[in-house]
Amino acid sequence: AQKVTQAQTEISVVEKEDVTLDCVYETRDTTYYLFWYKQPPSGELVFLIRRNSFDEQNEISGRYSWNFQKSTSSFNFTITASQVVDSAVYFCALNSNYQLIWGAGTKLIIKP
Amino acid sequence: DAGITQSPRYKITETGRQVTLMCHQTWSHSYMFWYRQDLGHGLRLIYYSAAADITDKGEVPDGYVVSRSKTENFPLTLESATRSQTSVYFCASSESGGAGYFGPGTRLLVL
Repeated sequence: AQKVTQAQTEISVVEKEDVTLDCVYETRDTTYYLFWYKQPPSGELVFLIRRNSFDEQNEISGRYSWNFQKSTSSFNFTITASQVVDSAVYFCALNSNYQLIWGAGTKLIIKP
Repeated sequence: DAGITQSPRYKITETGRQVTLMCHQTWSHSYMFWYRQDLGHGLRLIYYSAAADITDKGEVPDGYVVSRSKTENFPLTLESATRSQTSVYFCASSESGGAGYFGPGTRLLVL
């Protein structure tokens, strides 16, 4: 069975702290994609990253970084020096056979 | 404007009425998707399309109909709306499968 688990329902940190959002997935497929999306209070879904299962290199984009480890089936997301604007619900998703399996989301609250 | 758009953004309708939600993308992506988002259920796939004239059911297709006569459009029709179809509907598109980019969403209330 394919599954995405985001065990952290809600995280609250003070601005400028670093925060890591966990994502663990299950799949039997050898080829798959992993995604992270941001859903701010305004409601839209913002694409952050797509990672191919064959590419285990970590990626950094500004204050965002992603750590993909196939050995532990994890695709964790770190925000460095968090800002109030980072407050949102973050979803991790797994793609296989053109369908996305979504995690339940982690609500991130950044306090000023 | 480039991107993916949905209309209407907000819709109130009554039980039993037919409602069509529109989705338009300008990237010529092959794949398009319809999701609904409900509290407690996250995002669930309703239908998807791999190309014009090719559609397939997702996780929760009952009560919905889709068509894709043109690559850029993927309308979703609720044939006879029910209260359980009150939700936020998101359209998405991708060039290679898996929803890359989402539209702004349509908030539908069925009374």
